[in-house]
Amino acid sequence: SQKIEQNSEALNIQEGKTATLTCNYTNYSPAYLQWYRQDPGRGPVFLLLIRENEKEKRKERLKVTFDTTLKQSLFHITASQPADSATYLCALDRRALTFGSGTRLQVQP
Amino acid sequence: DAGVIQSPRHEVTEMGQEVTLRCKPISGHDYLFWYRQTMMRGLELLIYFNNNVPIDDSGMPEDRFSAKMPNASFSTLKIQPSEPRDSAVYFCASSSQASGANVLTFGAGSRLTVL
Repeated sequence: SQKIEQNSEALNIQEGKTATLTCNYTNYSPAYLQWYRQDPGRGPVFLLLIRENEKEKRKERLKVTFDTTLKQSLFHITASQPADSATYLCALDRRALTFGSGTRLQVQP
Repeated sequence: DAGVIQSPRHEVTEMGQEVTLRCKPISGHDYLFWYRQTMMRGLELLIYFNNNVPIDDSGMPEDRFSAKMPNASFSTLKIQPSEPRDSAVYFCASSSQASGANVLTFGAGSRLTVL
């Protein structure tokens, strides 16, 4: 069956450090992969999209990599801030978006 | 644009009652999605529409769930009769395929509690 795995344990890091979140998938051949941010009590908000023929995408302090051989995406937040604390979801798409369970990031001041 | 608008934001009902959740997508978006989110199962796709037509309802849990999209600016998700295991946050999202990518804009969600 198709699976998207994100680390269910919360990631705690110190302000200013780089946060790295992982998304692994099996039995998928996604056309592209997306990352969303979700704050408590709110809907997910789109952050970045990377296509299957792209290796890396950047947006301000965010960087996403996509390795279709390893079936893995890494999501990096550089110079992290307490305001970056949230749950981050990866999502894969062929016909409709399927989401991972998300990883909660806590940035300590 | 005010974004995707969902109502009600919170609903508490008793088992066996009918529940109707409402969604107004972003104007001009041609896809509409209903998701359900729980701690145990995460964010699950229930059904999605393209140009008001249901395309895939394989995620709808059972016959107690139904969804309609009578026009481009309105959709409903109905649960009848409701059960405690239906308690969850239900999200509506919309997207435009004009860019070739399925980037979703989510509403704030409807938190349903069935007692």
